[in-house]
Amino acid sequence: DAGITQSPRHKVTETGTPVTLRCHQTENHRYMYWYRQDPGHGLRLIHYSYGVKDTDKGEVSDGYSVSRSKTEDFLLTLESATSSQTSVYFCAISLRDQGGDGYTFGSGTRLTVV
Amino acid sequence: QQQVKQSPQSLIVQKGGISIINCAYENTAFDYFPWYQQFPGKGPALLIAIRPDVSEKKEGRFTISFNKSAKQFSLHIMDSQPGDSATYFCAASRTGNTPLVFGKGTRLSVIA
Repeated sequence: DAGITQSPRHKVTETGTPVTLRCHQTENHRYMYWYRQDPGHGLRLIHYSYGVKDTDKGEVSDGYSVSRSKTEDFLLTLESATSSQTSVYFCAISLRDQGGDGYTFGSGTRLTVV
Repeated sequence: QQQVKQSPQSLIVQKGGISIINCAYENTAFDYFPWYQQFPGKGPALLIAIRPDVSEKKEGRFTISFNKSAKQFSLHIMDSQPGDSATYFCAASRTGNTPLVFGKGTRLSVIA
């Protein structure tokens, strides 16, 4: 499925600790995105990347940072996790840069901050 | 400010019936309108998409209707089946690879 994997799939962490989520793709797509999904809020954009070292903020970027040092990897870091960051995190790649349609999403990371 | 408003939040439809989910948008610069389907424990998957140069697009039992003047678009699922039970998201974006803005989702249950 367009070769996108997220890790870990599940994580429980304590308030105040840093957490890094990884998104890996194998098809050299330029555009990658991190969304969070919460009941009643749908999918909200955290950060996105339009190339190596090129990133921009989304709607809910406070408390998050990202890095993209290689085309295939897009990392999301919660600098100091809070309970409000308990959520399901999805990474997505855009297929449109290679003539495809829409996004392919990863399977998600369920993060619980206790 | 919610850029894409989706309704209803939940929907129960009898098997064989028509499921209708509606979305409205505010940004007239939007020109790409996809629908995504999500099953529990999975990521959303592209179902069907439309651009504003057409008013309707059909793929199998799924149809998008688009009304540019009203800034609204809807998903119709004909002959709904229990396997269609999922959460559906509408979305919109501007030209190119600007990020998709999603609606809040509709949980569809198709009962026999």
